[in-house]
Amino acid sequence: GDSVTQTEGLVTLTEGLPVMLNCTYQTIYSNPFLFWYVQHLNESPRLLLKSFTDNKRTEHQGFHATLHKSSSSFHLQKSSAQLSDSALYYCALSPGTGGYKVVFGSGTRLLVSP
Amino acid sequence: GGIITQTPKFLIGQEGQKLTLKCQQNFNHDTMYWYRQDSGKGLRLIYYSITENDLQKGDLSEGYDASREKKSSFSLTVTSAQKNEMAVFLCASSIGQGTLYFGEGSRLIVV
Repeated sequence: GDSVTQTEGLVTLTEGLPVMLNCTYQTIYSNPFLFWYVQHLNESPRLLLKSFTDNKRTEHQGFHATLHKSSSSFHLQKSSAQLSDSALYYCALSPGTGGYKVVFGSGTRLLVSP
Repeated sequence: GGIITQTPKFLIGQEGQKLTLKCQQNFNHDTMYWYRQDSGKGLRLIYYSITENDLQKGDLSEGYDASREKKSSFSLTVTSAQKNEMAVFLCASSIGQGTLYFGEGSRLIVV
């Protein structure tokens, strides 16, 4: 079945340094939707950004990601980390026209320190 | 805007007991989901439903039942609560394959 892999369980950074959180996926469907959700402490996950277009950069709130179907990747990046970016980040996949089953990765906790 | 309401916020039960979590949404979304959140394991899909009276099993459906009797509500039953399944259960809804909107979560505590 479909799966999403986030290799880092915890990423610790100093404020101002660049952020990169990895996400790779497996699916049999040719047009999946990929998502990044963010969950701050004591809150529910909410959408950060999404894409279904190959090789097109998607941006929101200073974060960006590009879906690369050739490498099945959708890495999340930001040029300069802020303290308020500390949160749990989930990469997720929807099969697109293949159905409605949305699968999440195991999550990456980002801790930004002064 | 809309809201997803999960009840109860905390559900305490005894081992072996049948326990039910409820979820209501007023987005008028067709698709609803139940996920279990465990630290380090991410969000694992238990059940989802693409319309009223439809049920689809996720990867973690064993030990759970679900019910979607109305478009706006989706309930999840733990058929026999075990101490190793204490976790946060998250309900979500979406239009088609779009963005998921999550409720605040229900924490299951098994004593």
